[in-house]
Amino acid sequence: QQPVQSPQAVILREGEDAVINCSSSKALYSVHWYRQKHGEAPVFLMILLKGGEQKGHEKISASFNEKKQQSSLYLTASQLSYSGTYFCGTEKAGNQFYFGTGTSLTVIP
Amino acid sequence: EAQVTQNPRYLITVTGKKLTVTCSQNMNHEYMSWYRQDPGLGLRQIYYSMNVEVTDKGDVPEGYKVSRKEKRNFPLILESPSPNQTSLYFCASSLSGTPPDTQYFGPGTRLTVL
Repeated sequence: QQPVQSPQAVILREGEDAVINCSSSKALYSVHWYRQKHGEAPVFLMILLKGGEQKGHEKISASFNEKKQQSSLYLTASQLSYSGTYFCGTEKAGNQFYFGTGTSLTVIP
Repeated sequence: EAQVTQNPRYLITVTGKKLTVTCSQNMNHEYMSWYRQDPGLGLRQIYYSMNVEVTDKGDVPEGYKVSRKEKRNFPLILESPSPNQTSLYFCASSLSGTPPDTQYFGPGTRLTVL
């Protein structure tokens, strides 16, 4: 039931773009995105509600396609500070919460 | 400062010795949750609580207990720890659990069970 993320890992040079995908075999009611830097706690990025809306946070944006049960996180003009592991997450009926498998992003100079 | 605190941050113990990891938040949040993080498995929910005296199992509750006697505190209890509970544990809270809102995480507790 855990959402599956792809790719598992990606290495970028500063200024390059990246896309991280999150897909679920179950219906998604909303999608949450978090970033975790090495040795730190996860930090919230954004929540997307059903309706195909796209939200943004600095140069990071995301889309949510509820029909395809997928969400994508877009990182444009990546900076060194974007390095970390990105997790998508979603709730299940009963307020249980599932995080995805995670995507490790490394930005190099 | 609005925050979620956890104690201890690091703990090494032996199999079978009961332990408690405390979690406290000062944001008057209703929803609190415990996760464990293991390499390759991401974050998995252990237990969550919608409000005082309301707790429910997450994805991996076996071997753990929780209680929510006060809104701000949500301790995680391992009554008989085993080596497979060696992990990094995070407590999190959010204003609402319906639906789950932005979750604020504590700094984590690294537990080693020998």
